[in-house]
Amino acid sequence: DIQMTQSPSTLSASVGDRVIITCRASQSISNWLAWYQQKPGKAPKLLIYKASSLQSGVPSRFSGSGSETEFTLTISSLQPDDFATYYCQQYNTYSTFGGGTKVEIK
Amino acid sequence: QITLEESGPTLVKPTQTLTLTCTFSGFSLSTSQMGVGWIRQPPGKALEWLALIYWDDDKRYSPSLRNRLTVSKDTSKNQVVLTMTNMDPADTATYYCAHTAGLSMTWDANWFAPWGQGTLVTVSS
Repeated sequence: DIQMTQSPSTLSASVGDRVIITCRASQSISNWLAWYQQKPGKAPKLLIYKASSLQSGVPSRFSGSGSETEFTLTISSLQPDDFATYYCQQYNTYSTFGGGTKVEIK
Repeated sequence: QITLEESGPTLVKPTQTLTLTCTFSGFSLSTSQMGVGWIRQPPGKALEWLALIYWDDDKRYSPSLRNRLTVSKDTSKNQVVLTMTNMDPADTATYYCAHTAGLSMTWDANWFAPWGQGTLVTVSS
């Protein structure tokens, strides 16, 4: 199984901050990686697919990069609506999700 | 607009079989490259992918749960059904179904969007 490790597990930030979340794969997954945002009591929402492609309707302050085993999700200027938990998902070999990164208000 | 909704029991007993139905609209699962997946999330924990059914009735399962899962589709009813056998309290979770597109027959999985709102299943005697 491919393991996905996210860091940090919790991140405290302020509105306007640049936020970077990292996801590492236990083996190469090329660029078969997605990022999701989940708010309490709600279903996850797709933000990024194929490592860097922005899903339709997602604000451009979200961006993804990386390949092989190391990936990042960047929020260029954190907005009040962005406080949530973020998950990465590999879909190179079956599918596995990372453990999540909770973005909290500082 | 694509929507999905999960339905099924909220409480099952240990060793029982769970059957969940995903009813969707806004797409047809007979259209090439479409798929529906199942993902679960134990309370306070991370997401876990379970299964994926393709437009051509091909299926993929999580290797760790393969022997307990079955996924099927009824295209005429716009429904996908997931069964999980031998339920255990560790299977307590919110179960989601989700749409995917752009699938290739050679792939094992894909991204998911959108998702249903989820249904909480508790396993307890």
